[in-house]
Amino acid sequence: SQTIHQWPATLVQPVGSPLSLECTVEGTSNPNLYWYRQAAGRGLQLLFYSVGIGQISSEVPQNLSASRPQDRQFILSSKKLLLSDSGFYLCAWSPRQAEKLFFGSGTQLSVL
Amino acid sequence: GQQVMQIPQYQHVQEGEDFTTYCNSSTTLSNIQWYKQRPGGHPVFLIQLVKSGEVKKQKRLTFQFGEAKKNSSLHITATQTTDVGTYFCAGPFSSGSARQLTFGSGTQLTVLP
Repeated sequence: SQTIHQWPATLVQPVGSPLSLECTVEGTSNPNLYWYRQAAGRGLQLLFYSVGIGQISSEVPQNLSASRPQDRQFILSSKKLLLSDSGFYLCAWSPRQAEKLFFGSGTQLSVL
Repeated sequence: GQQVMQIPQYQHVQEGEDFTTYCNSSTTLSNIQWYKQRPGGHPVFLIQLVKSGEVKKQKRLTFQFGEAKKNSSLHITATQTTDVGTYFCAGPFSSGSARQLTFGSGTQLTVLP
């Protein structure tokens, strides 16, 4: 069966520090991969999605970037975090575009 | 732009009361999906509706897709404390050559014992 792993679960980082969040999927090939951000008590904002290795689409211009170095690995990065980057970051995968999403357990990022 | 509106934003009900959340799209949707996110958790897929006027049931949950495929609703009968969480609808929209899900803002349900 397919599983998705996302880590770390919580992260506290100072403003200006770098960020690297990793997500891996097991049990499937060539998944569509996604990074979402959720502010406290708010909806889900799509940040990046990828339909294949090295293919990244950005939905929102921002301080973050994403990479897909391997088929089932998706990384969210920042060179210098801002206070506004705080939030709950969710990785997700789907078999095909716009099909149902399977979410990771999320990373609660606090930038102080 | 392409978006999905969801109301209400918050709903407090007494245990045993019914609950409904509504979702409206700016355009016709090929399908609509519903997710539930428990407090502190991640969204979990509940169901997908595809056909015009479709109604699906999961125990006390009833999902409807409008005739025009632009709106949907989730109704919970006789809420229980286990129903607490945020319910999101999501619909596929085209972005360039890609199609991605756009989520509604969610309805946060609180069930008072």
